[in-house]
Amino acid sequence: KAGVTQTPRYLIKTRGQQVTLSCSPISGHRSVSWYQQTPGQGLQFLFEYFSETQRNKGNFPGRFSGRQFSNSRSEMNVSTLELGDSALYLCASSLASRQATNEKLFFGSGTQLSVL
Amino acid sequence: TQLLEQSPQFLSIQEGENLTVYCNSSSVFSSLQWYRQEPGEGPVLLVTVVTGGEVKKLKRLTFQFGDARKDSSLHITAAQPGDTGLYLCAARQRSQGGSEKLVFGKGTKLTVNP
Repeated sequence: KAGVTQTPRYLIKTRGQQVTLSCSPISGHRSVSWYQQTPGQGLQFLFEYFSETQRNKGNFPGRFSGRQFSNSRSEMNVSTLELGDSALYLCASSLASRQATNEKLFFGSGTQLSVL
Repeated sequence: TQLLEQSPQFLSIQEGENLTVYCNSSSVFSSLQWYRQEPGEGPVLLVTVVTGGEVKKLKRLTFQFGDARKDSSLHITAAQPGDTGLYLCAARQRSQGGSEKLVFGKGTKLTVNP
């Protein structure tokens, strides 16, 4: 069974540009969550999608947005990039039809975004 | 404020040594998870602890959930270079709207030297 696939693996952008990252979950998984990981802040929750609907959202500005398609694939978009957006962006998928207490997340390898 | 505080932040030891890392909070959790992240990869779930006082073993790794379900520890016996990685604890946090999200501590970066 293929794991969570994130593309691209690496991305270099300049300030003010926008970027779209893609995530293909494990087959059969309907929940997709996005996290931003930086050395200083660790893993910060961005948002979660389930059946094409945003189910939960973290404390990030509106420049960060996402969506989920009918095949459960998800994209996140960051507009008007800032230097501080440089980070590893991780996507995770899970089976859960509702948020179970011990729900297991399967992570992709991430997209390393560098903003110059 | 960080919901989950992990300590130590960094740990560098020699192969064969034992170690313990901690995950603490002032909040009570229904469960807590431990993940390991290797360089260039995403985190991988190691274990979920649910019951206060619960102890789970995974080969040389021993996980304990505090009696009050506010803290957890991970003990590694006879560490090996393959144990090198970032160890993260995670727990569900309920928002005002009632939905839950999985939040992570900042992690303990472990290096095991041969």
